[in-house]
Amino acid sequence: NAGVTQTPKFRVLKTGQSMTLLCAQDMNHEYMYWYRQDPGMGLRLIHYSVGEGTTAKGEVPDGYNVSRLKKQNFLLGLESAAPSQTSVYFCASSYGTSGRLNTQYFGPGTRLTVL
Amino acid sequence: RKEVEQDPGPFNVPEGATVAFNCTYSNSASQSFFWYRQDCRKEPKLLMSVYSSGNEDGRFTAQLNRASQYISLLIRDSKLSDSATYLCVVNVGGTALIFGKGTTLSVSS
Repeated sequence: NAGVTQTPKFRVLKTGQSMTLLCAQDMNHEYMYWYRQDPGMGLRLIHYSVGEGTTAKGEVPDGYNVSRLKKQNFLLGLESAAPSQTSVYFCASSYGTSGRLNTQYFGPGTRLTVL
Repeated sequence: RKEVEQDPGPFNVPEGATVAFNCTYSNSASQSFFWYRQDCRKEPKLLMSVYSSGNEDGRFTAQLNRASQYISLLIRDSKLSDSATYLCVVNVGGTALIFGKGTTLSVSS
């Protein structure tokens, strides 16, 4: 049982390049999330999904797109990377949204640098 | 006002000390509350949920005061391994969790 995994672990991009971050969970969770964490800012929600085939915007969605084609996978795309997107990206998943069901399990993170 | 506010610290304490962290939240409709722990350059992990009546898990005690919109975490008999950043987390209903910026604890021998 791997929990939540993320690939890649590290990536350096040039401004304007695109990339996709992959998140996979093997806990059969319905809900999945993408966060970014910046120094002094805490974790901020980018996009989330409440089930296969659904996505929704979080607090900071601009410049990102997501897809949830399979229940176990949640992809985060950057179409044209900008230096402001340099951050650590965490994926998380949860069984539900109320009380303890909303305990979110996080992946190990992807450290992205945009030059 | 920030939705979830924490004293960033750092809190520097010797082994065996008792240390308390506080957190305030702005949305009175908040429904559930958590403390997460994040080690340096690692992912956040759930430390404990916070219940209205207060709850304890070994050396850790969490308290919730809904009237004052205040959450606390008490760590007794601090260990070196407790050194980490502690995140106060609030759910206001729906899917999103609101994370505080975290309080850094450093326990020294």
